[in-house]
Amino acid sequence: DAKTTQPPSMDCAEGRAANLPCNHSTISGNEYVYWYRQIHSQGPQYIIHGLKNNETNEMASLIITEDRKSSTLILPHATLRDTAVYYCIVRDASIQGAQKLVFGQGTRLTINP
Amino acid sequence: NAGVTQTPKFQVLKTGQSMTLQCAQDMNHNSMYWYRQDPGMGLRLIYYSASEGTTDKGEVPNGYNVSRLNKREFSLRLESAAPSQTSVYFCASSDGAVYNSPLHFGNGTRLTVT
Repeated sequence: DAKTTQPPSMDCAEGRAANLPCNHSTISGNEYVYWYRQIHSQGPQYIIHGLKNNETNEMASLIITEDRKSSTLILPHATLRDTAVYYCIVRDASIQGAQKLVFGQGTRLTINP
Repeated sequence: NAGVTQTPKFQVLKTGQSMTLQCAQDMNHNSMYWYRQDPGMGLRLIYYSASEGTTDKGEVPNGYNVSRLNKREFSLRLESAAPSQTSVYFCASSDGAVYNSPLHFGNGTRLTVT
């Protein structure tokens, strides 16, 4: 699975949009981009995933560049409860079965009041 | 729905003791996983079970054994605990029959080996 690069930490003001970047320059055609987050002491929580089109759900939006070498997770109106470590993961999801996700260090996002 | 339930939440062991971490899911998922997380690090996959009756090694399997007891339950056993196994252990599950099915995680077991 392709490696990802994320900034170790970011800050954002409450109520603003939080934009978390992720580089995955070696991504291959079958690999999807997944985002999870981990709020302190809890298990990771799935946020969103995509292949090449932009995706949006109730939690966030995912913008993937046309060459698919990078992506951005957008939390449109960040709240204090969004303070967490955010993980960007790339994985070949063309095969059914167990998903062996490889978690990197992630980005520690701090939402400031 | 409780989702993924892990027991115990906390455990302290002495070096050489054994214990089993329990995990159960109520979402009828085929696939289950055990990860460990050390301070300041991402999660690392220990073992996984793609479906009932199968188990496979992940990235860091040494020192651990697993049992997929039935579709709901996946246990992780430490036969002879070592201080290097002090960590937070997370169990997860996913619907292996569905493409891109996300992983659902439990809230972890915090293990200290002295």
